[in-house]
Amino acid sequence: KQEVTQIPAALSVPEGENLVLNCSFTDSAIYNLQWFRQDPGKGLTSLLLIQSSQREQTSGRLNASLDKSSGRSTLYIAASQPGDSATYLCALQGGSEKLVFGKGTKLTVNP
Amino acid sequence: GAVVSQHPSRVICKSGTSVKIECRSLDFQATTMFWYRQFPKQSLMLMATSNEGSKATYEQGVEKDKFLINHASLTLSTLTVTSAHPEDSSFYICSTLRNLNTEAFFGQGTRLTVV
Repeated sequence: KQEVTQIPAALSVPEGENLVLNCSFTDSAIYNLQWFRQDPGKGLTSLLLIQSSQREQTSGRLNASLDKSSGRSTLYIAASQPGDSATYLCALQGGSEKLVFGKGTKLTVNP
Repeated sequence: GAVVSQHPSRVICKSGTSVKIECRSLDFQATTMFWYRQFPKQSLMLMATSNEGSKATYEQGVEKDKFLINHASLTLSTLTVTSAHPEDSSFYICSTLRNLNTEAFFGQGTRLTVV
């Protein structure tokens, strides 16, 4: 059974700092890994999708990496801004269309 | 714009009543939709997979008679929480994908409070 762990559970940084969020998983037999953003009381917004054959994806200030052999993914946020404050979730898609989620990292970027 | 539309965004109901939540795929026909529940400070937990034209598949521990799912068309799935109780209060969210191994799209979520 796939288990997804996100560390840290919460992170507070000053504006402008670069930061890394971590996601680890137990079963490397995956189709893809997605990073999402969730604002309080809202749905999920997809940030990046990494296929199992890929090593990383980039979108603006965001860069996500995937290392299946070690069961790890990281989300790098450059030059953080207060608007980046949210909960970040990683999710893996295995042999079906189901997604398995981590508990998320709550990020606070202080002005 | 939104790919998946979910309504209502917030509902308060009395204990014992039923609540229906709608999830619409706006951009493509969705043969499969997923219903998740999220408790405070917890991850999203898959409740059931909704299949157009057939019965939904429920995850272990989810009562199918309590959480009724209907997927009568390729663009609409509904989740009905029957005889709701305070412990059913949670954030419910739907999702769909165009195809296997593609980006998942989520609705805006529904905050259900049972009083």
